[in-house]
Amino acid sequence: GAVVSQHPSWVICKSGTSVKIECRSLDFQATTMFWYRQFPKQSLMLMATSNEGSKATYEQGVEKDKFLINHASLTLSTLTVTSAHPEDSSFYICSARDEGGLKTGELFFGEGSRLTVL
Amino acid sequence: GESVGLHLPTLSVQEGDNSIINCAYSNSASDYFIWYKQESGKGPQFIIDIRSNMDKRQGQRVTVLLNKTVKHLSLQIAATQPGDSAVYFCAAPGGASNTGKLIFGQGTTLQVKP
Repeated sequence: GAVVSQHPSWVICKSGTSVKIECRSLDFQATTMFWYRQFPKQSLMLMATSNEGSKATYEQGVEKDKFLINHASLTLSTLTVTSAHPEDSSFYICSARDEGGLKTGELFFGEGSRLTVL
Repeated sequence: GESVGLHLPTLSVQEGDNSIINCAYSNSASDYFIWYKQESGKGPQFIIDIRSNMDKRQGQRVTVLLNKTVKHLSLQIAATQPGDSAVYFCAAPGGASNTGKLIFGQGTTLQVKP
């Protein structure tokens, strides 16, 4: 079945550095991908919609200059956390919609990337 | 917009018993709902979904019930197994139903006692 892969699955960085997380759709094309953030014992909160070939759409309260999203191809979206701080430590999860699937629910989630900022 | 909430943060059941996890939503215009299972340190895993023109849908050991009158849905797991231990989220569209954008409920942690 369709697979969405995230890399890295776990990253530790120093405060002030930038970290890039990749989200790839392995066997389908996705013009739209979604980035979520999940703090411990909390729900997934949508951060932004990543649109292939155009600018991402950010949810209210999410800083677009801090969370840079690039969707340069139909199978890859990247999320860069710039000048990361400890409060950015979280589980970042992407999802991608199989454009060949017309049914609702044809969304596939990645395994998540855990960011720890020291 | 839509908001989704779950009734109980934690549910503890005995292995072999049936589990019922509840969820409430606010937007009566939402036309489909999805249940996800999330194991520790992993991404959400699709379990089952239901469209608003249905009130029940069954899968393997799982059933989703939708009550549009009171804007409530539930996930029933039959013969709960230790492998069912996880956090369960209901989700609804955050905008138009075919965009893929989802709003998640708070999650219920299911603990299965052997």
